[in-house]
Amino acid sequence: AQTVTQSQPEMSVQEAETVTLSCTYDTSESDYYLFWYKQPPSRQMILVIRQEAYKQQNATENRFSVNFQKAAKSFSLKISDSQLGDAAMYFCAYRSLQGGSEKLVFGKGTKLTVNP
Amino acid sequence: AAGVIQSPRHLIKEKRETATLKCYPIPRHDTVYWYQQGPGQDPQFLISFYEKMQSDKGSIPDRFSAQQFSDYHSELNMSSLELGDSALYFCASSMRTVLNTEAFFGQGTRLTVV
Repeated sequence: AQTVTQSQPEMSVQEAETVTLSCTYDTSESDYYLFWYKQPPSRQMILVIRQEAYKQQNATENRFSVNFQKAAKSFSLKISDSQLGDAAMYFCAYRSLQGGSEKLVFGKGTKLTVNP
Repeated sequence: AAGVIQSPRHLIKEKRETATLKCYPIPRHDTVYWYQQGPGQDPQFLISFYEKMQSDKGSIPDRFSAQQFSDYHSELNMSSLELGDSALYFCASSMRTVLNTEAFFGQGTRLTVV
């Protein structure tokens, strides 16, 4: 079974600065998806960014980018120019591509605080 | 754009009662997932359906059952409720036939068992 580990229960960053959230995972599969979800106080699950394992190029979405190291099974999220609205719980998630097993497996989450 | 609709948004039940949560996926999405998120916890996968058939099962208690109907909406039935069932229940939908689509989440149903 796949597992996802987020080793930082809490992180803080000053507004306008950059922060990196860590995520490692364990799988025996060669093809899969990885995601970062944001959960603000409203508790809505919002997709931030996704990465297909077969792509070597790191995904980027505006101020959000990932550092995907497939061999190391590492998938960190970098938030540049942090904004107050970025404050939320961030979950790293793994998704298998095997038919019937496409559920998301989440890490325990990292609570991000943005200080003005 | 249409999103995943869950109802009700909030539900309060007493111990040993029954609750039914509903999920309406995004149109043309063929797969529905149910997750349970306890206070301060990560979402835990309960069960999923593809084309109205159960496709995967996670840590769903025997007291819970779910199904997907012909119009693709899904219902999660929870019986003999316990205090520990208090949680946020998410439904998500995706289109399995298009592999690069992610799962879109509803806003969740907050169940409180008293």
